[in-house]
Amino acid sequence: DQQVKQNSPSLSVQEGRISILNCDYTNSMFDYFLWYKKYPAEGPTFLISISSIKDKNEDGRFTVFLNKSAKHLSLHIVPSQPGDSAVYFCAASSISNYQLIWGAGTKLIIKP
Amino acid sequence: DSGVTQTPKHLITATGQRVTLRCSPRSGDLSVYWYQQSLDQGLQFLIHYYNGEERAKGNILERFSAQQFPDLHSELNLSSLELGDSALYFCASSKQTDTQYFGPGTRLTVL
Repeated sequence: DQQVKQNSPSLSVQEGRISILNCDYTNSMFDYFLWYKKYPAEGPTFLISISSIKDKNEDGRFTVFLNKSAKHLSLHIVPSQPGDSAVYFCAASSISNYQLIWGAGTKLIIKP
Repeated sequence: DSGVTQTPKHLITATGQRVTLRCSPRSGDLSVYWYQQSLDQGLQFLIHYYNGEERAKGNILERFSAQQFPDLHSELNLSSLELGDSALYFCASSKQTDTQYFGPGTRLTVL
């Protein structure tokens, strides 16, 4: 049972435009959500997180939106840059079980 | 640099052998997590230790075991290795149970 789903295996975006990566979850107990970025053969790098008491968190070019009623979160990157090309993982956890549950990842390709 | 170190970076061994992967968490982090990533697939959670005690187990095979030592470093032991165990193994650490910071990984190749 996939509790965290990233339904788009890949996404291609023009440099300078907005990249929107989506993530859906099924467990209503999740209250903390994170986005990680991963280059090939490297460890994932933490990007941004959001707790369930918020619906938006911003950090520079990265903004995460949380829609609890839809059990959906998204990561917006604007403007997209070539260095943003990577695999992006969404992860979620709950206060009762701090194990992170990971999505399968979305490969973002930024075209020049 | 996340502050999490993993050794060795690469490991090549034969089927049936046993290997030990080592992880040093960030200074002050009490939690250590181990993950496996096979062939560009997602991250598979293996096991979580907090301050020396096992906290959670994921999809960890019985041939695999881990421990966290008093100095908080951790080791993942993989035994009776099979071809399918070839993967990237990542360690992550966190202060308690919040945001995890990952090491660079150990690439294990079983021939």
